[in-house]
Formats: sequence, C-alpha cells, structure tokens
Amino acid sequence: GAVVSQHPSRVICKSGTSVKIECRSLDFQATTMFWYRQFPKQSLMLMATSNEGSKATYEQGVEKDKFLINHASLTLSTLTVTSAHPEDSSFYICSVATGIEQFFGPGTRLTVL
Amino acid sequence: AQSVTQLGSHVSVSEGALVLLRCNYSSSVPPYLFWYVQYPNQGLQLLLKYTSAATLVKGINGFEAEFKKSETSFHLTKPSAHMSDAAEYFCAVRGKWGGGADGLTFGKGTHLIIQP
Repeated sequence: GAVVSQHPSRVICKSGTSVKIECRSLDFQATTMFWYRQFPKQSLMLMATSNEGSKATYEQGVEKDKFLINHASLTLSTLTVTSAHPEDSSFYICSVATGIEQFFGPGTRLTVL
Repeated sequence: AQSVTQLGSHVSVSEGALVLLRCNYSSSVPPYLFWYVQYPNQGLQLLLKYTSAATLVKGINGFEAEFKKSETSFHLTKPSAHMSDAAEYFCAVRGKWGGGADGLTFGKGTHLIIQP
C-alpha cells in the first residue's frame, strides 16, 4: 500500500493566524487525496477531495475559503486553515486513494489558542 | 447516500475471549466496506475490506468480517483477544460508483477494551 506522511504532526497557533498542513504520498503517485477531520473521541468526517491539477471538491458544510486545498503535484496536497479559531482545533488526517483502498497519514493535531 | 452504524461505542472483553464489533451499513449502490483500527494520536490502519468477492473476509492480526447483504451487516470478529487489540475501531463504507475515487463514510467508532 501507499505510505503517507503529514507535516507537522502537531501545531499550536494563535487565533486569527493561518496554518498549512502538508500531506505527502511517499511511494505512490496520487491523483486523488482526501482530507478528513476528527474531533476528540469522534469519528472522521470527510472534508474535501483533493484532485491533482484541479480544484478541490468540498463536502457540504465545509467552507472552501476557510480550508484551502492545493494539490499541485502527484505527491503533495496541502490544507491551509485560514484565520484559524479555537473551534477549528481538531485532528486533521489525509488519505491517498489507490483504486478501492485508501491509505491514511498519521494525522496533524491542530490546537488554536 | 451511504451511512454506517456501529452498535456500542465501547466494548469490553477479557483477554482470550471472542471479539465482536458490530457494523450495519446503508448504501444505495453495492458497497465497498472497510474496517480500520486507530491507536491513540495515530492515523488509521486498514484491517480488512470487502469488495464483492468472498463474503467472509480475512484481515490482519487475526481479524475477519462477514458481509451479509440480507442483514446489511459487516461485523468484525476475532476468536481470541490480545491486550494489543485495545484501540478504536471504525467501520467505513464507500459507494461502488462507476469510476473515480470517493471519500469514505465512517461509523462513530467502537472503543475496544481488553480486560486482563
């Protein structure tokens, strides 16, 4: 399966600042990646589908201007949380689609103070 | 639209006992079904998947699951629990559309506790 990394693993920022999270597919050329968020002790919720070379597709209720996704290459997708607020604090996890299966990154814990 | 229901947010079993984690799904198209395990502060690891081949699917770490269309279920079992099995388990469904990749819809998760 695909090996997926995320950077950073943890980030703490002040309210109003922007944070960029990177998702890398280390051994697979990924035309499609997914971004999920997970609140404490809850399930994963799909935020958006990241497509290489085109605009991301956002799920209903996810603000595209707040969660900017860039999939500029077959190995890198980035999620930028703009003007972060405490309610954006969450665990963000990306995945790489390889046909039927998805392989997940280790996640990024975002804490907004 | 798809949905997943996992019965029991917490399941506690004794070491060596049978593990049974329940998952029921709803899908308007034939589904792909998955079980993932998550350890604290980590991403998800695939345990097993159903893709319309055999209805009894064997996965890693001794886990298996049976797809029952009539019951819309995909319950996860393991004959003998180990302490290392303590984790959060998620059932997920993906619609089998004509092509392309789709995000997964996850259940709320079941926290498996292993009693020594």
